[in-house]
Amino acid sequence: GNSVTQMEGPVTLSEEAFLTINCTYTATGYPSLFWYVQYPGEGLQLLLKATKADDKGSNKGFEATYRKETTSFHLEKGSVQVSDSAVYFCALSDRGAAGNKLTFGGGTRVLVKP
Amino acid sequence: EAGVAQSPRYKIIEKRQSVAFWCNPISGHATLYWYQQILGQGPKLLIQFQNNGVVDDSQLPKDRFSAERLKGVDSTLKIQPAKLEDSAVYLCASSLSSGQGYEQYFGPGTRLTVT
Repeated sequence: GNSVTQMEGPVTLSEEAFLTINCTYTATGYPSLFWYVQYPGEGLQLLLKATKADDKGSNKGFEATYRKETTSFHLEKGSVQVSDSAVYFCALSDRGAAGNKLTFGGGTRVLVKP
Repeated sequence: EAGVAQSPRYKIIEKRQSVAFWCNPISGHATLYWYQQILGQGPKLLIQFQNNGVVDDSQLPKDRFSAERLKGVDSTLKIQPAKLEDSAVYLCASSLSSGQGYEQYFGPGTRLTVT
């Protein structure tokens, strides 16, 4: 079956530091890949996505590239802000499935200190 | 545009009691999902509806969980009887359709504590 593995947190950084959150996946088909973010007290929001190999998703200074050869979708940001403190979830959607249910990783909590 | 609405936001019950959660998706969204998020884990799909039909309920514990979307709009998820391990946040999401590329929009969730 499908699965997503992401690095455990918490990840604690200083403001303006470089952030990387590793994500690898296992899928039987050709999935679409997503990063969702959950800010404190808020619901899950889509941060970025990529639908095929070598696609790069980007939003709010975050980037992730769909690497089929390494089955990875690592999230990066060059200079984090305190407002980036949140829990980040990597997820996949299997285009071969009847629906487009999301399979999530366990989440990585990021804390950015001023 | 109004987002996905859920109620209640919090619920505390004793084991073996019953509980129901309600979700109103974004207007016009045909697909509705219920996810269970246990503390420290990612959300797990319980059931997916396309209009008022079930697309996927393979991970729904059908001996105690049930869900319906009778008119193809809002939905109710019920647990009867509840167990301690049902303590979690129950997330409702909706999308325009069930095909690839349709973004899922999540509600704020209902946090259930079973004592």
